[in-house]
Amino acid sequence: GESVGLHLPTLSVQEGDNSIINCAYSNSASDYFIWYKQESGKGPQFIIDIRSNMDKRQGQRVTVLLNKTVKHLSLQIAATQPGDSAVYFCAENISGAGSYQLTFGKGTKLSVIP
Amino acid sequence: NAGVMQNPRHLVRRRGQEARLRCSPMKGHSHVYWYRQLPEEGLKFMVYLQKENIIDESGMPKERFSAEFPKEGPSILRIQQVVRGDSAAYFCASSGQGESYEQYFGPGTRLTVT
Repeated sequence: GESVGLHLPTLSVQEGDNSIINCAYSNSASDYFIWYKQESGKGPQFIIDIRSNMDKRQGQRVTVLLNKTVKHLSLQIAATQPGDSAVYFCAENISGAGSYQLTFGKGTKLSVIP
Repeated sequence: NAGVMQNPRHLVRRRGQEARLRCSPMKGHSHVYWYRQLPEEGLKFMVYLQKENIIDESGMPKERFSAEFPKEGPSILRIQQVVRGDSAAYFCASSGQGESYEQYFGPGTRLTVT
């Protein structure tokens, strides 16, 4: 079946640098995407979302980019801090499908080097 | 303003026993979702419920697993006759009316089957 996947399973960045986490999705019917952050032993925490009628959305220190042509999603974290160390998941949803279930990718582990 | 609550946080069961996982959604939320996460993997959707109704159970195993969300009280995920393969983290998420895409996750219940 179609699923959400990630290019890089691990990412190490220096504190203060920018981080880019990538995600590829294959279900062209997906029209809503979310990035979650999961710290060890905790539940996923909502970071930012984007709908398919947009190609960019910004939050506080985070930006999500959506390229529907190549079915690619990325999360950019500016000035990465030690507290950003976690596993990051992208998730997708198909609106109007009668269910709001999210399909998650496997995750990218971000390690911030002080 | 309490978030999504799950209990117990850790549950140990022997093979063949029953496991009951409870989830109290955020105040004002009437939609509940259950996901399962195996180590080093993303979350997998199991079931989506509204009060007294199962909306989508396409991710639930056909046998031994059941879920309910009664009119009063928490949502319950029940696993009968547990096997070692049921060992995982089980997360509950909730969303409000009209905000169903933005799901807020609880801290999870870590089930270990010995």
